Amino acid sequence: SYVVTQAPSVSVAPGKTATITCGGDNIRSKTVNWYQQRPGQAPVLVIYYDGDRPSGIPDRFSGSNSGNTATLTISRVDAGDEADYFCQVWDSDTDQYVFGSGTTVTVL
Amino acid sequence: QLQLQESGPGLMKSSETLSLTCTVSGVSINSINYYWGWIRQTPGKGLEWIGSMFYNGRAHYNPSLRSRVSMSVDTAKNHMSLSLTSVTAADTAKYYCARGLEMAALGDAFDLWGQGTLVTVSS
Repeated sequence: SYVVTQAPSVSVAPGKTATITCGGDNIRSKTVNWYQQRPGQAPVLVIYYDGDRPSGIPDRFSGSNSGNTATLTISRVDAGDEADYFCQVWDSDTDQYVFGSGTTVTVL
Repeated sequence: QLQLQESGPGLMKSSETLSLTCTVSGVSINSINYYWGWIRQTPGKGLEWIGSMFYNGRAHYNPSLRSRVSMSVDTAKNHMSLSLTSVTAADTAKYYCARGLEMAALGDAFDLWGQGTLVTVSS
């Protein structure tokens, strides 16, 4: 089945930009969704259809998808952005959702 | 208020059948605008899709779980249910129900999640 790969962790200073990647073979041919999960809480959708934001999600969150890498970018990071971030795609070959293993964002 | 609330047994033993319920508030579960899903998260944090169901009862399951899982909808109670047979310790996880994007198709994102219910399977 399709595999997506995420780095385990990313550290970023407050006010800087966090870049979280999701790698997969020709992932640009798929739509990528991103979820934020704060400790002890349920996942929250932050980006869908590669780069769209649900209502209530700040425009500091943006997404892109090209080649073999999809990217979630968080600008002007603050302590409230500390969380795990998961990418998700649909594998049409096996008809199933595939989630990345998650990236933990730490704000220094 | 729009929300999803899971409920389940908490602790169970290997070989038993897991039954979970997701009570939906604030939207009709048989609305043609939405589909619904179950996702679980193991203690190591990985997320795994279990299955999704449309308003008309049509269900799609994770191929790796298809032989053991079934989903159903009770429109009178506005809730959906998940059944997973022959559980083992590997099924220990937090189980979430979730709603798909409005007017979306299978494979699209889940925009509303319940808080999850922890299920522990002991041998």
